[in-house]
Amino acid sequence: QQQVKQSPQSLIVQKGGISIINCAYENTAFDYFPWYQQFPGKGPALLIAIRPDVSEKKEGRFTISFNKSAKQFSLHIMDSQPGDSATYFCAAKDTGGFKTIFGAGTRLFVKA
Amino acid sequence: EAGVAQSPRYKIIEKRQSVAFWCNPISGHATLYWYQQILGQGPKLLIQFQNNGVVDDSQLPKDRFSAERLKGVDSTLKIQPAKLEDSAVYLCASSPRANIQYFGAGTRLSVL
Repeated sequence: QQQVKQSPQSLIVQKGGISIINCAYENTAFDYFPWYQQFPGKGPALLIAIRPDVSEKKEGRFTISFNKSAKQFSLHIMDSQPGDSATYFCAAKDTGGFKTIFGAGTRLFVKA
Repeated sequence: EAGVAQSPRYKIIEKRQSVAFWCNPISGHATLYWYQQILGQGPKLLIQFQNNGVVDDSQLPKDRFSAERLKGVDSTLKIQPAKLEDSAVYLCASSPRANIQYFGAGTRLSVL
């Protein structure tokens, strides 16, 4: 119940295309859903986050879509660029807890 | 603003040896986390400190892992004795408030 399942494991997208990464969760107590971006040799960095009271959040080329009834959320990267090539982690956290649960990660490669 | 500092960046040891990692969080951040990131997986929380008190250490293998936070600032994570399955990147993160975490670059440990 504490897991966050992420797919796909890896993704190759052409430059200018849309990258889509999906996550699903079971624990309905989760109420904060961040996405992290990690480049090789670096720690994860917060990219964008959403709370379940909204269905979509957009920041620049990055959009989170949230489906509370399905307990699923996804990251869309519009106009994907080679510089977006990194590993992306979805995560979930509940207000009452202190722990952030991370998905297994998606390795994105954007072909020039 | 300086980021989270970790050292060493890399460490190679033989199994059954001991090893220690050091973390200096961002100044003023009361919360400090240690995560274990095994290759191909998302970060897993090992221990969380609030100032110099432990908030959550439920996933810390206490028979071999120990951690302390000196005067509510720097922290060390120790493994003694190390096992092959401890090979991973050990990430330190600090937080000024709920839902915001800043990660260091991590220490890559190889246990041979």
